[in-house]
Amino acid sequence: DIQLTQSPSSLYASVRDTVTITCRASQNSVSYLNWYQQKPGKAPKLLIYGATHLQSGVPSRFSASGSGTDFTLTITSLEPEDFATYYCQQSYQTPLTFGGGTRLQIK
Amino acid sequence: EVQLLESGGGLVQPGGSLRLSCVASGFSFRIYAMSWVRQAPGKGLEWVSSINGDDYSTFYADSVRGRFTISRDNSKKTLYLQMNSLRIEDTALYYCAKSAGRVVTTTPPFDSWGQGTLAAVSS
Repeated sequence: DIQLTQSPSSLYASVRDTVTITCRASQNSVSYLNWYQQKPGKAPKLLIYGATHLQSGVPSRFSASGSGTDFTLTITSLEPEDFATYYCQQSYQTPLTFGGGTRLQIK
Repeated sequence: EVQLLESGGGLVQPGGSLRLSCVASGFSFRIYAMSWVRQAPGKGLEWVSSINGDDYSTFYADSVRGRFTISRDNSKKTLYLQMNSLRIEDTALYYCAKSAGRVVTTTPPFDSWGQGTLAAVSS
């Protein structure tokens, strides 16, 4: 099974800051790495697929990079609506797995 | 617009059963792989099961294999999850999710989500 380790598990930042979340896979996941945003009481939302591709409708302040085992999600110039929990997830093989999540909170 | 509407959750005793349903609309249901993902209260996301949209192959997390069965009825545009031998640790909000493709691997497996249905297992 591919284990995904996200860091940090929680993060404090201010509006207009730039933040980076990392996701490390225990095995090569090629580029089949996706990122989701979840707000309290809501279903997750796909932000990034295939490691670097922005899902339709997602603001361009979200970007991502990586391949193999190391991946990053960057949010440039945080907006108030970006404070949420972020999960990475690999779709290279079953069992599909998620990272433990990164809770982004307002400083 | 893609819509996924889950139902069937509830309170059940350990060892009991529940059948979750997810009615889909706004896309060609029969083509796409579909999945169930759960989230225990205050916890992260956990993949439960998927069914492909081409050969209808099924996949399960180890934690549910042999107890849960995923299926689909394309004529009704409905995804199901039959959950038997339920355990306290199965308590969670169960989300139905649509894949971006016919298979659940390589393509983004969860590009649209329902709002979830809560299954609570307690004595």
